Amino acid sequence: GMPVEQNPPALSLYEGADSGLRCNFSTTMKSVQWFQQNHRGRLITLFYLAQGTKENGRLKSTFNSKERYSTLHIKDAQLEDSGTYFCAAATNSAGNKLTFGIGTRVLVRP
Amino acid sequence: GALVYQYPRRTICKSGTSMRMECQAVGFQATSVAWYRQSPQKTFELIALSTVNSAIKYEQNFTQEKFPISHPNLSFSSMTVLNAYLEDRGLYLCGARESGTVNSDYTFGSGTRLLVI
Repeated sequence: GMPVEQNPPALSLYEGADSGLRCNFSTTMKSVQWFQQNHRGRLITLFYLAQGTKENGRLKSTFNSKERYSTLHIKDAQLEDSGTYFCAAATNSAGNKLTFGIGTRVLVRP
Repeated sequence: GALVYQYPRRTICKSGTSMRMECQAVGFQATSVAWYRQSPQKTFELIALSTVNSAIKYEQNFTQEKFPISHPNLSFSSMTVLNAYLEDRGLYLCGARESGTVNSDYTFGSGTRLLVI
């Protein structure tokens, strides 16, 4: 299968709601990055994780290398959270080859 | 902070012609540079990974003959799309990373959007 499986492909939620995205990996990954791609195409790094959990404001991400998954949780969604989110995992031993998931298109409605 | 600039932001080229795009890292040493293409309705395809003092590694379906890459120093890389055709259109993203640091994450530029007519 695909080395990085990202779910769901699309997500619609109302302002103030909480929701989560998940990436499953076919093998053990060294690290994971989560990005938000804005309407101009720019990839904004949200998190880089080699293990464990990180929080930044209303966003929280977890990476479990052993269990082969990573999650991104959005709390109290705001309109500006709309966009496409990608996870990308380092698939080689040097940790410098990123494989991307297919992305999750998030739409936050008022 | 770490920044990556890409130019041009967008470009249009005629079918069969070539187009060069550039990537500049600021605030860190771009030990590794990865070039990706995001085609319409698709995720990111890795074209090639360039690491200083190592050979450039191209992914399946991408060749040096079609996408020659230069990575002459720790702040700059360029890639050319030779003989561009419709299927080459998309957003080309350059990601750079400094190995050996605590958070060896990739920083991406805003991309070069290529339209082929």
